[in-house]
Amino acid sequence: SYALTQPPSVSVSPGQTGSITCSGDKLGDRYVCWYQQKPGQSPVLVISQDTKRPSGIPERFSGSNSGNTATLTISGTQATDEADYYCQTWDSSTAVFGGGTKLIVL
Amino acid sequence: QVQLQESGPGLVKPSQTLSLTCTVSGGSVNSGDFYWSWIRQPPGKGLEWIGSAYYTGSTFYNPSLRSRVVISLDKSKNHFSLRLSSVTAADTAVFYCARVYAVTSPDSFDVWGQGTPVTVSS
Repeated sequence: SYALTQPPSVSVSPGQTGSITCSGDKLGDRYVCWYQQKPGQSPVLVISQDTKRPSGIPERFSGSNSGNTATLTISGTQATDEADYYCQTWDSSTAVFGGGTKLIVL
Repeated sequence: QVQLQESGPGLVKPSQTLSLTCTVSGGSVNSGDFYWSWIRQPPGKGLEWIGSAYYTGSTFYNPSLRSRVVISLDKSKNHFSLRLSSVTAADTAVFYCARVYAVTSPDSFDVWGQGTPVTVSS
């Protein structure tokens, strides 16, 4: 079965750029979505189709996907961006989530 | 604006069947643009897709759960349901219903319910 791998945690200083990676076999051949989940809340879609930001998502969130790695980049990170982030793709009508990455803003 | 709301028992006994319903407001489950899905999250762990259903009646399930899962749509009530049989403590989780945008193919989970916690315990 297809698998997505994320680092357990990433640390970033306020105002700096943070990046979260998501790895999978030939992942660049598939669309990747990213979700933000804050404690006690439902996940929120922040990036769809590799690079698209849904309405209401700040411009500081951006995505890319090439080769075996997709990346979520947060520019000018704010304290409110501290959350768990999950990547997700589809494999033959089966949804696959990465294990999640805790973004620590300190 | 589409909203999803999960409902169902918060406590299920081992070996029994877990049943949840997701009521859709502001949209219709009888739409070819979306799949209707269930996702769960065990305490302190990540997201796990359970399965999705399409308005045609087609269903897609996580291979690891396929033998125990049924997802169905009720177009007259505009809701969809999850049944997970033979539950164990390992099925304890927050269960989310979600909509998948799927105009050409399954894309993103763009709308989520608030989630409902389910504990499996005697």
